[in-house]
Amino acid sequence: DAGVTQSPTHLIKTRGQQVTLRCSPKSGHDTVSWYQQALGQGPQFIFQYYEEEERQRGNFPDRFSGHQFPNYSSELNVNALLLGDSALYLCASSAGQTKLFFGSGTQLSVL
Amino acid sequence: KQEVTQIPAALSVPEGENLVLNCSFTDSAIYNLQWFRQDPGKGLTSLLLIQSSQREQTSGRLNASLDKSSGRSTLYIAASQPGDSATYLCAVPYGNNRLAFGKGNQVVVIP
Repeated sequence: DAGVTQSPTHLIKTRGQQVTLRCSPKSGHDTVSWYQQALGQGPQFIFQYYEEEERQRGNFPDRFSGHQFPNYSSELNVNALLLGDSALYLCASSAGQTKLFFGSGTQLSVL
Repeated sequence: KQEVTQIPAALSVPEGENLVLNCSFTDSAIYNLQWFRQDPGKGLTSLLLIQSSQREQTSGRLNASLDKSSGRSTLYIAASQPGDSATYLCAVPYGNNRLAFGKGNQVVVIP
């Protein structure tokens, strides 16, 4: 049983570009959450998807958007990249309100 | 809003010593608390999850205690080993199954 998988593992972009990160949840999980972790900080909640809808959102600008597909996989999109968007992006999945399982993350560098 | 603080931010210990990592949170109305391990640039590995009805949880050399009334949790790692070198993160749920994290305790175990 595969756990939470994220792709790509590393990504380098330049300011102003757009990026898409992908996440496949653990088998049997229907809820996907995204977190941003800047260097030396704890992860910060971006948003959560359930039944293909954004259910709740943290304090992030509209440049951050997402999508959940019928197979429960999810994408995180960031537009107009800023240097400050450089971070490790973590995806977590759960079956409803149960324990979260995290993926290995995507390391995004914005130059 | 839930605030999570971890002390100390960083510590180094010689191999074989016991480790004591502290976590405090501002809103005691939590239903569980989770400790994670994170290696540099990697995802989160769940170590222990303590339900609010429990006072402690043990797994091998790891023991975590929870005192909801005082808003504190402690992670004990017995007989530390160089392989225990990592960042340890404490997290509590708020809202709808989203987690608030501390900044972590960065641990180095010296051989």
